[in-house]
Amino acid sequence: SQKIEQNSEALNIQEGKTATLTCNYTNYSPAYLQWYRQDPGRGPVFLLLIRENEKEKRKERLKVTFDTTLKQSLFHITASQPADSATYLCALASGGGADGLTFGKGTHLIIQP
Amino acid sequence: DTGVSQDPRHKITKRGQNVTFRCDPISEHNRLYWYRQTLGQGPEFLTYFQNEAQLEKSRLLSDRFSAERPKGSFSTLEIQRTEQGDSAMYLCASIPGGGRAYNEQFFGPGTRLTVL
Repeated sequence: SQKIEQNSEALNIQEGKTATLTCNYTNYSPAYLQWYRQDPGRGPVFLLLIRENEKEKRKERLKVTFDTTLKQSLFHITASQPADSATYLCALASGGGADGLTFGKGTHLIIQP
Repeated sequence: DTGVSQDPRHKITKRGQNVTFRCDPISEHNRLYWYRQTLGQGPEFLTYFQNEAQLEKSRLLSDRFSAERPKGSFSTLEIQRTEQGDSAMYLCASIPGGGRAYNEQFFGPGTRLTVL
């Protein structure tokens, strides 16, 4: 069955360091992969989208990589700040059909001052 | 605020009661999605609309659940004979006309349902 795995344990990073989050998937051939941020009691907020033919995407302090051979995406936050503390969700869509996104469980990131 | 809005934000009900949630998408967004999120999990797709047409339903959407989007604008999600297992955050998302599921989705704040 299709499966998306994110490190569901909290990730503690010291302020100023780079935080790296992992998203692995199996039995899936996604054309696109997205990352969302979710704060407690709020809906997810879109951050970045990367296509299967793209290796890397950047937006300000954020960087996403997509390795379809390893079936893995890495999400990096450089120069991390306490305000970056949140849950980060990885989401996949097949790209050809009309179904909704499939989300991982998310990784809770804590940036310590 | 021109974002996706949901009402109510919180709903507490007793088992067996019916509840209805409303979602107002961003104006002119043709596609509207409903998701359910339980504690510690990511959102799970329930159903989606293209204008007023409901085009897909997840197997998670039992026959106690029904969704409508009568005029292609706001949508409602009704749960009949609620069960404790229905307790979750119900999220609505929309995307612009011509978009597909893999495009950036704009989420509302969610409706937190607690079934006692």
